[in-house]
Amino acid sequence: QVQLVESGGGLVKPGGSLRLSCAASGFTFSDYYMSWIRQAPGKGLEWVSYISSSGSTIYYADSVKGRFTISRDNAKNSLYLQMNSLRAEDTAVYYCARTYGSGSYSPWGQGTLVTVSS
Amino acid sequence: EIVMTQSPATLSVSPGERATLSCRASQSVSSNLAWYQQKPGQAPRLLIYGASTRATGIPARFSGSGSGTEFTLTISSLQSEDFAVYYCQQYNNWPITFGQGTRLEIK
Repeated sequence: QVQLVESGGGLVKPGGSLRLSCAASGFTFSDYYMSWIRQAPGKGLEWVSYISSSGSTIYYADSVKGRFTISRDNAKNSLYLQMNSLRAEDTAVYYCARTYGSGSYSPWGQGTLVTVSS
Repeated sequence: EIVMTQSPATLSVSPGERATLSCRASQSVSSNLAWYQQKPGQAPRLLIYGASTRATGIPARFSGSGSGTEFTLTISSLQSEDFAVYYCQQYNNWPITFGQGTRLEIK
């Protein structure tokens, strides 16, 4: 079945870095766009970044532009999010999601928690 | 940035009754609108895309309507498993934006 599994979350100090991974299975990963979406504790959903199937088109939310880098390795069926210069407001559960068109997201991974705190 | 506004923030409905959730966009998003359901401790699940198309495996009691700036998610006969938070999302313009959510609770 289609599955997305995130990893790499944890506790990091402000200004630190973290790399999230998302392992995909059950579908042809290279055929699909992918996205990262986050959810701060007790809050709503916030789109973070998008990458096209080939990796040639990338978008970021203004809140992370210049600090986060999305990438993918189609040979490894994996999506990544390199997060630098982390701030307290980046604390959230980060979800990867298969993306249709711009677009709609299905399925989502189970999420990985990133906590930025001193 | 397109602002998505959901109403009400909380909706109390009895099982078996109909629930109607609203989502308004600050400018037209055509039919590029999705709805998600999120239960506590779980990832969101896609219910509706293209404003009115049910995603695979979604029961027929869920229906979406609207276009432009006004959208509605209707759950025709609430089941116990439907009590959750619902989000709308536009994907017509970058950045992608979500509504703040409507919590559907048991009356």
